[in-house]
Amino acid sequence: GAGVSQSPRYKVAKRGQDVALRCDPISGHVSLFWYQQALGQGPEFLTYFQNEAQLDKSGLPSDRFFAERPEGSVSTLKIQRTQQEDSAVYLCASSSRTSVNEQYFGPGTRLTVT
Amino acid sequence: AQRVTQPEKLLSVFKGAPVELKCNYSYSGSPELFWYVQYSRQRLQLLLRHISRESIKGFTADLNKGETSFHLKKPFAQEEDSAMYYCALSYTGTASKLTFGTGTRLQVTL
Repeated sequence: GAGVSQSPRYKVAKRGQDVALRCDPISGHVSLFWYQQALGQGPEFLTYFQNEAQLDKSGLPSDRFFAERPEGSVSTLKIQRTQQEDSAVYLCASSSRTSVNEQYFGPGTRLTVT
Repeated sequence: AQRVTQPEKLLSVFKGAPVELKCNYSYSGSPELFWYVQYSRQRLQLLLRHISRESIKGFTADLNKGETSFHLKKPFAQEEDSAMYYCALSYTGTASKLTFGTGTRLQVTL
């Protein structure tokens, strides 16, 4: 079937604006992860859902970052009052119950804050 | 805290030459190690994981717990191997976050 999809692929926001990034995981995948990848760095963990439950949000850099997955499928990462340091590629990944540590990544959303 | 180190930002080799991408980790426990690859204009994808002990596209990686290393090797580099390679680790068994290294760009030239 289709892989993980993310939208928008590119987002330019003025500093102080709120943004919402969407992730559609592979159908049936119970685990969903968000990562932030700054330029020249590896992806860094933000948060993890198992179905609709957010089990780990230890990587969220500030209370301006909020993620939800209300029905256990699509997830939204929201960033309030964006700052320049939020500029990065935001990656979503999902994994199945049977291969829990085999994460499939989406194409990412490139966020630029001006 | 867990940490993954990839000491080389760029590795340039000639076609047909052997390749070794270095990865060292620190983790207090029993980790699961992975190599992910990102080809130009494509998404990040899993290349191999240590528990499967497979060879994918001619690449192998052996977990050395004594040296805390998981180096990626290929005997003969091909042009299509040119990509960004990330080493990553997670806890064994349960679904958990991946901790990535900073990546190594492999450039295979003629």
